[in-house]
Amino acid sequence: EPEVTQTPSHQVTQMGQEVILRCVPISNHLYFYWYRQILGQKVEFLVSFYNNEISEKSEIFDDQFSVERPDGSNFTLKIRSTKLEDSAMYFCASVKAAWDEQFFGPGTRLTVL
Amino acid sequence: ILNVEQSPQSLHVQEGDSTNFTCSFPSSNFYALHWYRWETAKSPEALFVMTLNGDEKKKGRISATLNTKEGYSYLYIKGSQPEDSATYLCAFESGAGSYQLTFGKGTKLSVIP
Repeated sequence: EPEVTQTPSHQVTQMGQEVILRCVPISNHLYFYWYRQILGQKVEFLVSFYNNEISEKSEIFDDQFSVERPDGSNFTLKIRSTKLEDSAMYFCASVKAAWDEQFFGPGTRLTVL
Repeated sequence: ILNVEQSPQSLHVQEGDSTNFTCSFPSSNFYALHWYRWETAKSPEALFVMTLNGDEKKKGRISATLNTKEGYSYLYIKGSQPEDSATYLCAFESGAGSYQLTFGKGTKLSVIP
């Protein structure tokens, strides 16, 4: 069964460093998302991406964040200068069509020291 | 800010017991209500996407109901098994057309053999 994959599973970085989190969505899906969950808190929406552009972003998704779909298969989230409060589990999700179920990857745990 | 609440926060039941949990969400601007099952270190797995008031969905021993007018959904597990142990998340999708999900904090179910 097709699945969303994410790499790495765990990333440790120093404050101020850039990180790139990678996702491979399900191949025939059209909508892509990043969510995050800070430990003990709710899963929060970051950004949605459709037709090679951002369709919506939350207040969390500031200028330090960017997304790309560089080669038609990977979907990346870049944090330019990480802060301690960026430590969280980051989930990628994809969906084939609007109002369908979103398929989630297993997440990348980002630890900022 | 959309408020999605789940109760209880955690639950311990004996194998064979039936159980249920609640998700409450805004009753205005409703588009869909999603239920996910999330086991540690795995991807959240979609259980149901519910769109119509009065919807009832079933998958094996798990079922869900939806009341959009009063803004709640129940998830039922009949005859709980140890493999049902997981966190159950509900997520609200508003009618704004962005398809982003607003999650509750989840109900952590532990089934004791």
